[in-house]
Amino acid sequence: LAKTTQPISMDSYEGQEVNITCSHNNIATNDYITWYQQFPSQGPRFIIQGYKTKVTNEVASLFIPADRKSSTLSLPRVSLSDTAVYYCLVGDTDNQGGKLIFGQGTELSVKP
Amino acid sequence: NAGVTQTPKFQVLKTGQSMTLQCAQDMNHNSMYWYRQDPGMGLRLIYYSASEGTTDKGEVPNGYNVSRLNKREFSLRLESAAPSQTSVYFCASSERSNQPQHFGDGTRLSIL
Repeated sequence: LAKTTQPISMDSYEGQEVNITCSHNNIATNDYITWYQQFPSQGPRFIIQGYKTKVTNEVASLFIPADRKSSTLSLPRVSLSDTAVYYCLVGDTDNQGGKLIFGQGTELSVKP
Repeated sequence: NAGVTQTPKFQVLKTGQSMTLQCAQDMNHNSMYWYRQDPGMGLRLIYYSASEGTTDKGEVPNGYNVSRLNKREFSLRLESAAPSQTSVYFCASSERSNQPQHFGDGTRLSIL
């Protein structure tokens, strides 16, 4: 299972774009990259998932370079409500039980 | 639209007591999971069920048992609770084991 490395914490201000990078040097061919967001006292919430290049939804964008050894979650124009912990996970796409490893995540603090 | 429902939300046990945490999902998902989250840490997978009738160990299965009662319900049992099992327990489900997971709001368990 591919292990991921993320910054422990990041600070930002309202209205700024925030980019959180995740390293996954031993990502396997079948692995997808998935990001979750977790607020205090709540379960994680799915944000975005991708395999290569760029994926965009109404919440965020995910940039994946050609070698797929890292990925960057981009949050446009953050607000105070984006203060949360963000987890990057790498897991296989085969039906092998969904064994995903959550690291410590990145604690994002958005200030006014 | 309930999603993933966990009961109870809070519980205090004495060392040696037994306890079953309940989880139910109403999204007709095939796969279900149990995680624990200790303070300041990411989630660790305890057990998962890729489909109805199957269960498998995750990263930290010792001291726990699970039952996939039917497609909707997946319970986690502590046979003899220990203080080291004090944690927040999250249940999750996904359409298939390689799809994004939907989490409940957790059960906060304290063992004295």
